Amino acid sequence: DSGVTQTPKHLITATGQRVTLRCSPRSGDLSVYWYQQSLDQGLQFLIQYYNGEERAKGNILERFSAQQFPDLHSELNLSSLELGDSALYFCASSMSRVGEQYFGPGTRLTVT
Amino acid sequence: DAKTTQPTSMDCAEGRAANLPCNHSTISGNEYVYWYRQIHSQGPQYIIHGLKNNETNEMASLIITEDRKSSTLILPHATLRDTAVYYCIVRVSKNNAGNMLTFGGGTRLMVKP
Repeated sequence: DSGVTQTPKHLITATGQRVTLRCSPRSGDLSVYWYQQSLDQGLQFLIQYYNGEERAKGNILERFSAQQFPDLHSELNLSSLELGDSALYFCASSMSRVGEQYFGPGTRLTVT
Repeated sequence: DAKTTQPTSMDCAEGRAANLPCNHSTISGNEYVYWYRQIHSQGPQYIIHGLKNNETNEMASLIITEDRKSSTLILPHATLRDTAVYYCIVRVSKNNAGNMLTFGGGTRLMVKP
């Protein structure tokens, strides 16, 4: 158990819909990262927040957005969903400057 | 961040040492070598990292060559539960900014009875 929690575990929705994925980092960790893992793309970095502020962006689509709240939990919002958005979405957190990241169990999103 | 090259797959007998190589010939002086693994669709798990010196923890040992152009992750007594994809990642560690991980294809390690 990494100490990072993600909800829900599974999500099935239809094209065009909007969903919100939630992540609670390890106690004391200020950074939250979101990654997407699809069959054809592998694990890809989406976005990072540190203490409530966006710090880095990867290959995140404009239809996706995220935020980190004052209690440090984070939400990833996915809208206008397409079949290709079906993937595992992982959240990770870190604290130290050297920065090993601890990953949650992931949310499996299926868009039908 | 420097690019890494890993074998696509490896087999190891249960109870034997698993030695997973990684080539990072373009590594810069301030880049660390990190290893993570992912057991079938679970979240990636941090294993170990190092800069220049060899490192050991309860999970594994990391051997980095003197010129830092390659490294080897050693699982001293592999078990069936070590079957996973192992990722070698090279990156600069900044002060909590831009510490994203860039995952390549990794090495699929199969531990066999």
